[in-house]
Amino acid sequence: NFILTQVHSVSESPGKTVTISCTRSSGSIDSNFVQWYQQRPGNSPTIVISETDLRPSGVPDRFSGAIDTSSNSASLFISGLRTEDEGDYYCQSYDSNNFWVFGDGTKLT
Amino acid sequence: QVQLQESGPGLVKPSETLSLTCDVSGDSASSYYWSWVRQPPGKGLEWIGYIYDTGYTVYNPSLKSRVTISLVTPNSRFSLRLTSLTAADTAVYYCARVLPAAIIDSWGRGILVTVSS
Repeated sequence: NFILTQVHSVSESPGKTVTISCTRSSGSIDSNFVQWYQQRPGNSPTIVISETDLRPSGVPDRFSGAIDTSSNSASLFISGLRTEDEGDYYCQSYDSNNFWVFGDGTKLT
Repeated sequence: QVQLQESGPGLVKPSETLSLTCDVSGDSASSYYWSWVRQPPGKGLEWIGYIYDTGYTVYNPSLKSRVTISLVTPNSRFSLRLTSLTAADTAVYYCARVLPAAIIDSWGRGILVTVSS
């Protein structure tokens, strides 16, 4: 199986843009879709990006996703940062056996 | 809009078996996957397993020998059974609705389960 590695924490100012990355240890990042979840303190996770770069209904267009095959990683971009964006962000993917893998999460301050 | 609600004991003794139930309301029109995910205090998310409406199940290999996910009532209630508990199983347990491609589109509020004597 593979692991998804995320930087432990990132910090940025309101109004700026932040990038959160998720690197796949083995197998191609574009082999399977990647999801991104936001978890605000004390709350359940909610999805912000599905199928690598799609925004579910209700998610602001400040959120976007992409993959970079050269670094075998997926990225979540959040522009026009707001204080309400603070929380933990998790990437998630799966393998050929349909086993899921979560990244270990990135704390956004 | 679909809602999911976990229920079960908040405290379980080591070596015992945990049984949780997830009640689903608000949408029974389509077929989905149903999953359990847990989160130890202060740590990240860990996938436990999922079940399709046909009863087909897939489990995390690291937990497979101890886990059973079952459909109690299709699109209405499903359950988790985890045996031989240790302190490492202490976590918030979430039930969730899943679309194809492992898209978790709805989560329950979670239930904290503590394993302690």
